[in-house]
Amino acid sequence: NAGVTQTPKFQVLKTGQSMTLQCAQDMNHEYMSWYRQDPGMGLRLIHYSVGAGITDQGEVPNGYNVSRSTTEDFPLRLLSAAPSQTSVYFCASSFNRHLNTNYGYTFGSGTRLTVV
Amino acid sequence: SQQGEEDPQALSIQEGENATMNCSYKTSINNLQWYRQNSGRGLVHLILIRSNEREKHSGRLRVTLDTSKKSSSLLITASRAADTASYFCATDAANRLAFGKGNQVVVIP
Repeated sequence: NAGVTQTPKFQVLKTGQSMTLQCAQDMNHEYMSWYRQDPGMGLRLIHYSVGAGITDQGEVPNGYNVSRSTTEDFPLRLLSAAPSQTSVYFCASSFNRHLNTNYGYTFGSGTRLTVV
Repeated sequence: SQQGEEDPQALSIQEGENATMNCSYKTSINNLQWYRQNSGRGLVHLILIRSNEREKHSGRLRVTLDTSKKSSSLLITASRAADTASYFCATDAANRLAFGKGNQVVVIP
């Protein structure tokens, strides 16, 4: 099993450009989420999804869009990149949370994004 | 806002010593989890303790949870150089996992 796969690993964008960070998991996890990690701030939740067709906002959703058309994929779209979105982005998934929330999360290896 | 807050923020110990990290949180939780992050890598799940549990062990890890004080501790026994990493506590509630700012642990060989 590959687990959670994030692409690309590194990206440099110019202010105002848009892009999509890809996240795919092959564990049949219903729950998927996106975090950003900034120095001294820990990880902050951007968006999450409890299943295909369902998404919800996290702590810092502004400037980001998500969709969940399949169980496997959960792309994160930056609509108009800003320097404040320079960060490391992590995708994470977890097992079915409808019946039991007591499962750990599996994280991808991250996407390091720089907006200039 | 950050849910989990770890204390101390940085810890430097000799190989073979024990490392203890504490975490406090503010709201009701389903469970509390601890993760490890090596430099430049993703987070790895270490251990989960449910809200109705008080103590849990996994190998050299021991985690405690005191819901009355809204606090948890992670103990790593007999530390190794490979334990050098950042450690995060995270509280799970309402389909959200909220992380603290992390503890940097350096184990000196």
